[in-house]
Amino acid sequence: GQQLNQSPQSMFIQEGEDVSMNCTSSSIFNTWLWYKQDPGEGPVLLIALYKAGELTSNGRLTAQFGITRKDSFLNISASIPSDVGIYFCAGQPTGSNRKLIWGLGTSLAVNP
Amino acid sequence: EAGVAQSPRYKIIEKRQSVAFWCNPISGHATLYWYQQILGQGPKLLIQFQNNGVVDDSQLPKDRFSAERLKGVDSTLKIQPAKLEDSAVYLCASSLGTLSGNTIYFGEGSWLTVV
Repeated sequence: GQQLNQSPQSMFIQEGEDVSMNCTSSSIFNTWLWYKQDPGEGPVLLIALYKAGELTSNGRLTAQFGITRKDSFLNISASIPSDVGIYFCAGQPTGSNRKLIWGLGTSLAVNP
Repeated sequence: EAGVAQSPRYKIIEKRQSVAFWCNPISGHATLYWYQQILGQGPKLLIQFQNNGVVDDSQLPKDRFSAERLKGVDSTLKIQPAKLEDSAVYLCASSLGTLSGNTIYFGEGSWLTVV
Protein backbone atom coordinates (compact mmCIF):
# COMPACT_ATOMS: atom_id res chain seq x y z
CA GLY A 1 0.00 0.00 0.00
CA GLN A 2 0.93 3.68 -0.16
CA GLN A 3 3.52 4.86 2.34
CA LEU A 4 4.97 8.16 3.33
CA ASN A 5 8.64 8.93 2.89
CA GLN A 6 9.87 9.45 6.43
CA SER A 7 13.45 10.45 7.20
CA PRO A 8 15.84 9.88 8.70
CA GLN A 9 15.31 6.18 9.29
CA SER A 10 17.32 6.32 12.52
CA MET A 11 19.19 8.84 14.64
CA PHE A 12 21.72 8.52 17.42
CA ILE A 13 22.26 11.76 19.31
CA GLN A 14 23.70 13.13 22.52
CA GLU A 15 21.42 14.21 25.34
CA GLY A 16 20.62 17.90 25.02
CA GLU A 17 20.79 17.99 21.23
CA ASP A 18 17.89 19.04 19.06
CA VAL A 19 16.29 16.55 16.68
CA SER A 20 14.45 17.04 13.41
CA MET A 21 12.59 14.51 11.29
CA ASN A 22 10.19 14.88 8.40
CA CYS A 23 7.67 13.15 6.19
CA THR A 24 6.84 13.81 2.58
CA SER A 25 4.12 12.61 0.26
CA SER A 26 3.37 12.79 -3.43
CA SER A 27 -0.27 13.61 -2.73
CA ILE A 28 -2.03 16.33 -0.79
CA PHE A 29 -2.98 15.56 2.80
CA ASN A 30 -5.61 17.19 5.00
CA THR A 31 -4.29 15.81 8.29
CA TRP A 32 -0.83 15.06 9.64
CA LEU A 33 -0.29 13.14 12.85
CA TRP A 34 2.90 12.41 14.75
CA TYR A 35 3.08 9.39 17.05
CA LYS A 36 5.74 7.97 19.34
CA GLN A 37 5.96 4.25 20.04
CA ASP A 38 7.91 2.89 22.98
CA PRO A 39 9.02 -0.76 23.01
CA GLY A 40 6.14 -3.01 23.92
CA GLU A 41 3.54 -0.28 23.66
CA GLY A 42 1.09 1.05 21.12
CA PRO A 43 1.70 4.37 19.33
CA VAL A 44 0.90 7.44 21.41
CA LEU A 45 -0.30 10.60 19.70
CA LEU A 46 2.12 13.51 20.10
CA ILE A 47 0.77 16.22 17.83
CA ALA A 48 -2.12 16.51 15.37
CA LEU A 49 -2.14 19.04 12.52
CA TYR A 50 -5.19 19.95 10.47
CA LYS A 51 -4.34 23.11 8.51
CA ALA A 52 -1.63 23.94 6.00
CA GLY A 53 1.03 26.08 7.64
CA GLU A 54 -0.12 25.13 11.14
CA LEU A 55 2.69 25.11 13.70
CA THR A 56 1.90 23.32 16.95
CA SER A 57 3.98 22.70 20.06
CA ASN A 58 3.66 20.11 22.79
CA GLY A 59 6.30 20.79 25.42
CA ARG A 60 9.69 20.32 23.76
CA LEU A 61 8.05 19.02 20.59
CA THR A 62 7.08 21.21 17.64
CA ALA A 63 5.46 20.05 14.43
CA GLN A 64 4.39 21.86 11.29
CA PHE A 65 1.96 21.11 8.50
CA GLY A 66 3.75 22.09 5.29
CA ILE A 67 2.35 24.86 3.11
CA THR A 68 2.21 22.55 0.10
CA ARG A 69 0.18 20.05 2.22
CA LYS A 70 2.59 17.35 1.09
CA ASP A 71 4.98 17.37 4.01
CA SER A 72 5.36 17.78 7.75
CA PHE A 73 8.22 17.95 10.18
CA LEU A 74 8.69 17.20 13.87
CA ASN A 75 11.36 18.87 15.99
CA ILE A 76 12.43 17.82 19.48
CA SER A 77 14.44 20.36 21.41
CA ALA A 78 16.95 19.57 24.16
CA SER A 79 16.54 15.80 23.91
CA ILE A 80 16.49 13.65 27.04
CA PRO A 81 16.91 9.88 27.46
CA SER A 82 13.15 9.25 27.65
CA ASP A 83 12.78 10.60 24.10
CA VAL A 84 14.12 7.23 22.92
CA GLY A 85 11.63 5.37 20.76
CA ILE A 86 10.23 5.18 17.27
CA TYR A 87 8.48 8.23 15.86
CA PHE A 88 5.87 7.69 13.17
CA CYS A 89 4.22 10.22 10.95
CA ALA A 90 0.78 9.46 9.59
CA GLY A 91 -1.27 11.42 7.14
CA GLN A 92 -4.74 11.41 5.76
CA PRO A 93 -4.98 12.09 2.01
CA THR A 94 -7.92 14.12 0.78
CA GLY A 95 -10.88 11.94 -0.08
CA SER A 96 -9.45 8.91 1.70
CA ASN A 97 -12.42 8.14 3.90
CA ARG A 98 -10.18 8.72 6.94
CA LYS A 99 -7.68 6.02 5.97
CA LEU A 100 -4.31 6.91 7.42
CA ILE A 101 -1.09 6.46 5.48
CA TRP A 102 1.93 5.72 7.66
CA GLY A 103 5.64 6.42 7.45
CA LEU A 104 8.08 3.64 8.29
CA GLY A 105 9.25 5.41 11.41
CA THR A 106 12.33 7.18 12.72
CA SER A 107 14.17 5.31 15.43
CA LEU A 108 15.72 7.70 17.94
CA ALA A 109 18.49 6.77 20.37
CA VAL A 110 19.75 9.28 22.94
CA ASN A 111 23.13 8.91 24.57
CA PRO A 112 23.04 10.27 28.15
CA GLU B 1 -10.62 9.52 30.33
CA ALA B 2 -9.95 5.82 29.89
CA GLY B 3 -7.98 4.85 26.81
CA VAL B 4 -8.44 2.03 24.33
CA ALA B 5 -8.38 -1.28 26.18
CA GLN B 6 -7.08 -4.47 24.61
CA SER B 7 -6.64 -8.05 25.75
CA PRO B 8 -4.75 -10.23 25.97
CA ARG B 9 -1.46 -8.30 25.94
CA TYR B 10 0.56 -11.31 24.92
CA LYS B 11 -0.29 -14.61 23.25
CA ILE B 12 1.86 -17.46 22.00
CA ILE B 13 0.18 -20.12 19.85
CA GLU B 14 1.21 -22.85 17.48
CA LYS B 15 0.60 -22.50 13.77
CA ARG B 16 -2.84 -23.66 12.66
CA GLN B 17 -4.32 -22.81 16.05
CA SER B 18 -6.82 -20.00 16.50
CA VAL B 19 -6.64 -16.82 18.56
CA ALA B 20 -9.01 -13.99 19.40
CA PHE B 21 -8.27 -10.45 20.52
CA TRP B 22 -10.68 -8.10 22.23
CA CYS B 23 -10.87 -4.32 22.14
CA ASN B 24 -12.92 -1.73 23.99
CA PRO B 25 -12.57 1.71 22.39
CA ILE B 26 -12.67 5.09 24.08
CA SER B 27 -16.19 5.87 25.21
CA GLY B 28 -18.15 7.71 22.54
CA HIS B 29 -15.79 6.87 19.70
CA ALA B 30 -17.80 5.72 16.70
CA THR B 31 -14.87 4.54 14.63
CA LEU B 32 -12.82 1.50 15.57
CA TYR B 33 -9.74 0.20 13.78
CA TRP B 34 -7.68 -2.96 13.89
CA TYR B 35 -4.09 -2.60 12.74
CA GLN B 36 -1.36 -5.18 12.28
CA GLN B 37 2.19 -4.03 13.02
CA ILE B 38 5.07 -6.28 12.06
CA LEU B 39 8.35 -5.60 13.80
CA GLY B 40 10.21 -2.70 12.16
CA GLN B 41 7.23 -1.46 10.20
CA GLY B 42 4.45 1.03 10.65
CA PRO B 43 0.90 -0.08 11.43
CA LYS B 44 -1.12 -1.60 8.59
CA LEU B 45 -4.90 -1.17 8.65
CA LEU B 46 -6.77 -4.48 8.67
CA ILE B 47 -10.32 -3.30 9.19
CA GLN B 48 -12.20 -0.11 10.05
CA PHE B 49 -15.67 0.00 11.62
CA GLN B 50 -18.01 2.97 11.77
CA ASN B 51 -20.37 2.04 14.62
CA ASN B 52 -21.15 -1.61 13.81
CA GLY B 53 -20.65 -1.36 10.05
CA VAL B 54 -17.47 -2.16 8.12
CA VAL B 55 -16.01 0.85 6.29
CA ASP B 56 -12.80 -0.71 4.97
CA ASP B 57 -11.58 -4.29 5.14
CA SER B 58 -9.60 -4.27 1.91
CA GLN B 59 -6.38 -5.44 3.59
CA LEU B 60 -7.93 -8.06 5.84
CA PRO B 61 -6.91 -11.62 4.82
CA LYS B 62 -10.47 -12.85 4.88
CA ASP B 63 -9.57 -16.49 4.45
CA ARG B 64 -8.22 -16.56 8.00
CA PHE B 65 -9.02 -13.24 9.68
CA SER B 66 -12.42 -12.08 10.85
CA ALA B 67 -13.59 -9.18 12.96
CA GLU B 68 -16.89 -8.07 14.37
CA ARG B 69 -18.33 -5.15 16.30
CA LEU B 70 -21.83 -6.37 16.89
CA LYS B 71 -23.16 -3.65 19.22
CA GLY B 72 -21.07 -0.81 17.89
CA VAL B 73 -18.85 -0.65 20.97
CA ASP B 74 -16.29 -3.35 21.64
CA SER B 75 -14.82 -5.57 18.97
CA THR B 76 -13.08 -8.90 18.49
CA LEU B 77 -10.47 -9.89 15.92
CA LYS B 78 -10.01 -13.58 15.22
CA ILE B 79 -7.33 -15.47 13.36
CA GLN B 80 -8.04 -19.06 12.33
CA PRO B 81 -5.87 -20.87 11.43
CA ALA B 82 -2.79 -18.86 12.35
CA LYS B 83 0.35 -18.85 10.23
CA LEU B 84 3.92 -18.04 11.23
CA GLU B 85 3.76 -14.75 9.32
CA ASP B 86 0.86 -13.61 11.53
CA SER B 87 3.34 -12.95 14.33
CA ALA B 88 2.88 -9.24 14.96
CA VAL B 89 1.34 -6.70 17.25
CA TYR B 90 -2.38 -6.26 16.75
CA LEU B 91 -3.33 -2.71 17.59
CA CYS B 92 -6.84 -1.54 18.22
CA ALA B 93 -7.55 2.15 17.83
CA SER B 94 -10.54 4.44 17.91
CA SER B 95 -11.60 7.91 16.89
CA LEU B 96 -14.67 10.09 17.17
CA GLY B 97 -15.33 9.48 13.51
CA THR B 98 -16.29 13.05 12.68
CA LEU B 99 -14.58 15.35 10.20
CA SER B 100 -13.06 17.40 13.01
CA GLY B 101 -12.46 14.46 15.34
CA ASN B 102 -10.58 11.99 13.24
CA THR B 103 -7.48 11.76 15.41
CA ILE B 104 -6.82 8.11 16.12
CA TYR B 105 -5.91 6.83 19.57
CA PHE B 106 -4.26 3.46 20.02
CA GLY B 107 -4.39 0.77 22.65
CA GLU B 108 -1.25 -0.88 23.97
CA GLY B 109 -1.55 -3.74 21.50
CA SER B 110 -1.86 -7.50 21.63
CA TRP B 111 1.46 -9.18 20.90
CA LEU B 112 1.06 -12.43 18.99
CA THR B 113 3.81 -14.98 18.46
CA VAL B 114 3.03 -17.95 16.24
CA VAL B 115 5.47 -20.85 16.61
